[in-house]
Amino acid sequence: GENVEQHPSTLSVQEGDSAVIKCTYSDSASNYFPWYKQELGKGPQLIIDIRSNVGEKKDQRIAVTLNKTAKHFSLHITETQPEDSAVYFCAASNWGYQKVTFGIGTKLQVIP
Amino acid sequence: NAGVTQTPKFRVLKTGQSMTLLCAQDMNHEYMYWYRQDPGMGLRLIHYSVGEGTTAKGEVPDGYNVSRLKKQNFLLGLESAAPSQTSVYFCASSYSTGRAYNEQFFGPGTRLTVL
Repeated sequence: GENVEQHPSTLSVQEGDSAVIKCTYSDSASNYFPWYKQELGKGPQLIIDIRSNVGEKKDQRIAVTLNKTAKHFSLHITETQPEDSAVYFCAASNWGYQKVTFGIGTKLQVIP
Repeated sequence: NAGVTQTPKFRVLKTGQSMTLLCAQDMNHEYMYWYRQDPGMGLRLIHYSVGEGTTAKGEVPDGYNVSRLKKQNFLLGLESAAPSQTSVYFCASSYSTGRAYNEQFFGPGTRLTVL
């Protein structure tokens, strides 16, 4: 089955700096890569996703990149703000199975 | 719309007791999932369902059973709770549109402690 590795497990940045979270996956058949944000006491919520036919996707301060050859993908948050503090999960999925395999999560702390 | 709701929010059990966690969604989603979240281990899939009356095993199904008698509800049962089942449980649902990649919508979670 799919295995998703995520690092770092914790990340502290100063407000206004950028944050980068990296993930690798093992199954070359995976073709959908969502990122979820989990705020304290809540369930995860999708913030951005990328498909295997796209190398990069951007949504305001958030961007994701995908390198299919190397089997890794990354989340980039620019101009971080205190409300970005949360746990972020990467995931990988193969269309048709309707299941995703999650990474262990990255706890991001943005220091004002 | 309430989205995905979970009942109860908190529960403390003694070893060997049984309980059922209820998940309900009002988005007419076909697919539903149960995950557990443990420190350092992310979200792990317990069981899932691709439609009313169907269930399938996920990554960590042992010690759990599920039922999907109605499309909007997905029940997770623990027949004989063990301390290793202390965790936060999340339910999620997603819609089916054939050839598409579908977002999962998560409930707020149930914190279960087994003593």
